[in-house]
Amino acid sequence: GDSVTQMEGPVTLSEEAFLTINCTYTATGYPSLFWYVQYPGEGLQLLLKATKADDKGSNKGFEATYRKETTSFHLEKGSVQVSDSAVYFCALNGNTGGFKTIFGAGTRLFVKA
Amino acid sequence: EPEVTQTPSHQVTQMGQEVILRCVPISNHLYFYWYRQILGQKVEFLVSFYNNEISEKSEIFDDQFSVERPDGSNFTLKIRSTKLEDSAMYFCASSVAGEQFFGPGTRLTVL
Repeated sequence: GDSVTQMEGPVTLSEEAFLTINCTYTATGYPSLFWYVQYPGEGLQLLLKATKADDKGSNKGFEATYRKETTSFHLEKGSVQVSDSAVYFCALNGNTGGFKTIFGAGTRLFVKA
Repeated sequence: EPEVTQTPSHQVTQMGQEVILRCVPISNHLYFYWYRQILGQKVEFLVSFYNNEISEKSEIFDDQFSVERPDGSNFTLKIRSTKLEDSAMYFCASSVAGEQFFGPGTRLTVL
């Protein structure tokens, strides 16, 4: 079945460092890909999305490119801030059947001042 | 901007009791979902609901769980007899198709 694998955390960075969180997926067909962010004690917020190969999703300085050839959707940000500290979930939606979303295990990011 | 809402934000119950978690999806959405997240773990799909019936469910969604859309706005998840391991954050989501919009979650604590 469909699945998402993302790098284990926690990831600890200093403010203004470059961030990469790796995500790869396994899916039949043509899924849509997402990054969600969960701040401490809060729910899930959609950070960015891409619906087809070579699409780049971007929001709040974060970017991810849908790479079909490597089945990847890595999250990047050029300069992280303390306020970016959160758990980041990579996810896919197979766009079939019940349209369920499948989540990766999440990567916790700590940004130090 | 329209959003998915959930009530209550936190529910504490005794083991063996029934609980009903409530969600109000976005009004023009057609698909409704429940997910759960055990503390510190990944978000897991429970069930999807379309056209007044379950369209897909996971192995977690056993006979203790049920969903209902009792009127035109609410979408509920019922757990008939709660177990300690049902303690988790439960998220409702809705969609037209594809991208899902998530509610803020209900934290269920089973004692």
